[in-house]
Amino acid sequence: GENVEQHPSTLSVQEGDSAVIKCTYSDSASNYFPWYKQELGKRPQLIIDIRSNVGEKKDQRIAVTLNKTAKHFSLHITETQPEDSAVYFCAAFFSSNTGKLIFGQGTTLQVKP
Amino acid sequence: NAGVTQTPKFQVLKTGQSMTLQCAQDMNHEYMSWYRQDPGMGLRLIHYSVGAGITDQGEVPNGYNVSRSTTEDFPLRLLSAAPSQTSVYFCASSYTGRQPQHFGDGTRLSIL
Repeated sequence: GENVEQHPSTLSVQEGDSAVIKCTYSDSASNYFPWYKQELGKRPQLIIDIRSNVGEKKDQRIAVTLNKTAKHFSLHITETQPEDSAVYFCAAFFSSNTGKLIFGQGTTLQVKP
Repeated sequence: NAGVTQTPKFQVLKTGQSMTLQCAQDMNHEYMSWYRQDPGMGLRLIHYSVGAGITDQGEVPNGYNVSRSTTEDFPLRLLSAAPSQTSVYFCASSYTGRQPQHFGDGTRLSIL
């Protein structure tokens, strides 16, 4: 079936350290992989996305890597800051039927000052 | 430009009652979707639509109905509310499913 697995469910790092969140997806035909950040009580907001014709994408302290062969992609946050503390969701677009975006279970990131 | 507007923001229902969660967007997006968010379970897709007149089921469609009569509106109907449907519901829209999703502020629904 169409599935996205996300690990870890919680992650605690010291300010300035790096954080890595990993996701796997079930359908090799998937071709769009966004990452969302959700602060407490707020809506999810896109922070970065990658398409299957690209292996890596960076935006300042945030980067995403994609391994199509292994069907997994990862979010990397460098030089973490307390304001990075939030829940992070990965997602994958599945092309079956009319196409749908499925999310992972989320990772709660805590950055300790 | 309002983006994605969800109403109501909060709602308390009794078991067995029905209600409609409203979602409207003013960005001329074709793709719209409904998710529910429960602790530890992420965002689970309920129903989605790729354009007016076209809807499809997501991961957890049971107990919910949708329709898409216009590009702008995508209401979610709870037919007979159950305590298991207590959740935060998010509506999202984009030009296509492969584009960044714009989320509404959510509806917090409690069913007693």
